[in-house]
Amino acid sequence: DVKVTQSSRYLVKRTGEKVFLECVQDMDHENMFWYRQDPGLGLRLIYFSYDVKMKEKGDIPEGYSVSREKKERFSLILESASTNQTSMYLCASRAGGADYGYTFGSGTRLTVV
Amino acid sequence: QQQVKQSPQSLIVQKGGISIINCAYENTAFDYFPWYQQFPGKGPALLIAIRPDVSEKKEGRFTISFNKSAKQFSLHIMDSQPGDSATYFCAAIIQGAQKLVFGQGTRLTINP
Repeated sequence: DVKVTQSSRYLVKRTGEKVFLECVQDMDHENMFWYRQDPGLGLRLIYFSYDVKMKEKGDIPEGYSVSREKKERFSLILESASTNQTSMYLCASRAGGADYGYTFGSGTRLTVV
Repeated sequence: QQQVKQSPQSLIVQKGGISIINCAYENTAFDYFPWYQQFPGKGPALLIAIRPDVSEKKEGRFTISFNKSAKQFSLHIMDSQPGDSATYFCAAIIQGAQKLVFGQGTRLTINP
């Protein structure tokens, strides 16, 4: 089975801190995604990457950046954390081609105080 | 045109009943429609999926019904069990695209 591993289940950070959320997948998938999940708002795409060093903005990229230096790793960076970035963050990966299925990680619940 | 609209936002069903969650879309270029199930504290997991060339797909107690002309699809959970209590997301994707478009999610509670 494909595994998508997010490095932290829970994080508490202070306002203004730089925060790194790490995601690693083990099945050589081309595509990787970062979503945030908030009650009543569903899954909102922050950024995605379809290849190493390639990235595209999703629906809500403001306040975030990403890094993909290796195929298996996709990092989400909060340059200066704010309280409105308190959320559940989900990483997902997907193979290219006709296989459309996403595999999600278990999520990182980030609290910014 | 890229939206997928999901309803209801929350649903309570008695054990043994049928749970029905509906989704509607506008973009006729969508050609793959998956449903994801998410338990508390976990990421969503693929439950069942359908392509628009069939009107129904069944896997155990879970069935997707697809109405191409109405641009609607729905998830039916037969004989609903407390273990089915979760959040369900419908989604859609265009062939060749990289990202899924998700519905807003439905929180399903099955009362014992």
